[in-house]
Amino acid sequence: NAGVTQTPKFRVLKTGQSMTLLCAQDMNHEYMYWYRQDPGMGLRLIHYSVGEGTTAKGEVPDGYNVSRLKKQNFLLGLESAAPSQTSVYFCASSGYYNEQFFGPGTRLTVL
Amino acid sequence: TQLLEQSPQFLSIQEGENLTVYCNSSSVFSSLQWYRQEPGEGPVLLVTVVTGGEVKKLKRLTFQFGDARKDSSLHITAAQPGDTGLYLCAGTPSGGYQKVTFGTGTKLQVIP
Repeated sequence: NAGVTQTPKFRVLKTGQSMTLLCAQDMNHEYMYWYRQDPGMGLRLIHYSVGEGTTAKGEVPDGYNVSRLKKQNFLLGLESAAPSQTSVYFCASSGYYNEQFFGPGTRLTVL
Repeated sequence: TQLLEQSPQFLSIQEGENLTVYCNSSSVFSSLQWYRQEPGEGPVLLVTVVTGGEVKKLKRLTFQFGDARKDSSLHITAAQPGDTGLYLCAGTPSGGYQKVTFGTGTKLQVIP
């Protein structure tokens, strides 16, 4: 089992550009999450999904959109990147007790 | 917002010493997890506790869930350099919500 995978691992964008971060899990989990991690701020929830075709806002959703067209995939989109979105992004899926299984992360820099 | 406060924020100790990290909240959690994160990687699940007063051991690591399910502790015996990393606690608020609240983390450095 690969667990949770994320692509790409690194990306540099210019302000105003768009991109999509891809997340896939092979554990048949219903719930999936997108977090960002910044120094001194900890892990903050951007959006989450409780099942195929559903999405919900987390703590810091502004500037991001998500889609869950298939149970195993959860996509995070940035329509017009801003320097404030420079961060490390983690995708996760959760088990029965909401324990989180994280991907390796995507390091995004917005210039 | 359910808050999980971790202490200490930073800890630098010599190899062989013991240490305890605390995770506290004023809210009740139905389950609580501990994770370790190494630089450049995602957090890795260490343990889940669900019952008040529960104690779990993972080799030299001992995890305890408070009786009231509002707090937890992680104790490491005879720390080794391989224990170095960021330790995160996280909990699901009682009530069946899907979201998890993360603590701010404890950065541990074990010096050989």
